Amino acid sequence: NAGVTQTPKFRVLKTGQSMTLLCAQDMNHEYMYWYRQDPGMGLRLIHYSVGEGTTAKGEVPDGYNVSRLKKQNFLLGLESAAPSQTSVYFCASSQTSGRTDTQYFGPGTRLTVL
Amino acid sequence: AQSVTQLDSQVPVFEEAPVELRCNYSSSVSVYLFWYVQYPNQGLQLLLKYLSGSTLVKGINGFEAEFNKSQTSFHLRKPSVHISDTAEYFCAVSASGNQFYFGTGTSLTVIP
Repeated sequence: NAGVTQTPKFRVLKTGQSMTLLCAQDMNHEYMYWYRQDPGMGLRLIHYSVGEGTTAKGEVPDGYNVSRLKKQNFLLGLESAAPSQTSVYFCASSQTSGRTDTQYFGPGTRLTVL
Repeated sequence: AQSVTQLDSQVPVFEEAPVELRCNYSSSVSVYLFWYVQYPNQGLQLLLKYLSGSTLVKGINGFEAEFNKSQTSFHLRKPSVHISDTAEYFCAVSASGNQFYFGTGTSLTVIP
């Protein structure tokens, strides 16, 4: 039981490049989330999904897209990376709404955009 | 939107001493409150949560928190800290929908 895994762990991009971050969970959770963590700002919700095939915007969605084609996977895409997207990205999942349920977090992806 | 304020960005404390990490939130509606811990180079883990009922909530690793509605606070406490408690602690709140708001974190350093 691996819990929540994230791929890759580290990545360096140049401005304008694109990439996809993969989150996978093996707990059969319905809800999945993408957060970014920046110094002095805590975690902020980018997008979330309440089930396979659904996505919704969080607090800071601009510049990101997501897809949830399979229940166990939640992809975060950056179409044209900008230095402002340098951050640590965390994926999380929960069985029911994270509003009341425990969220389980992955180890994070450290992204640097030059 | 909700907001969460963690008043102390860094808290140094000697081993076996008590500690309190402060958290205040702003909301005019009922909220659910959480404390998560992040150990170095790891994701976050749930320490405890308040959904309803008793205002004193006990969590893992000897931590507890008290929900105070009149002061809109949810402070985290531990009577005796250990070196292994050194970590970043985040207070979080949810009120409606599936939005979830984290505080900026408090870095707890336990000094031997």
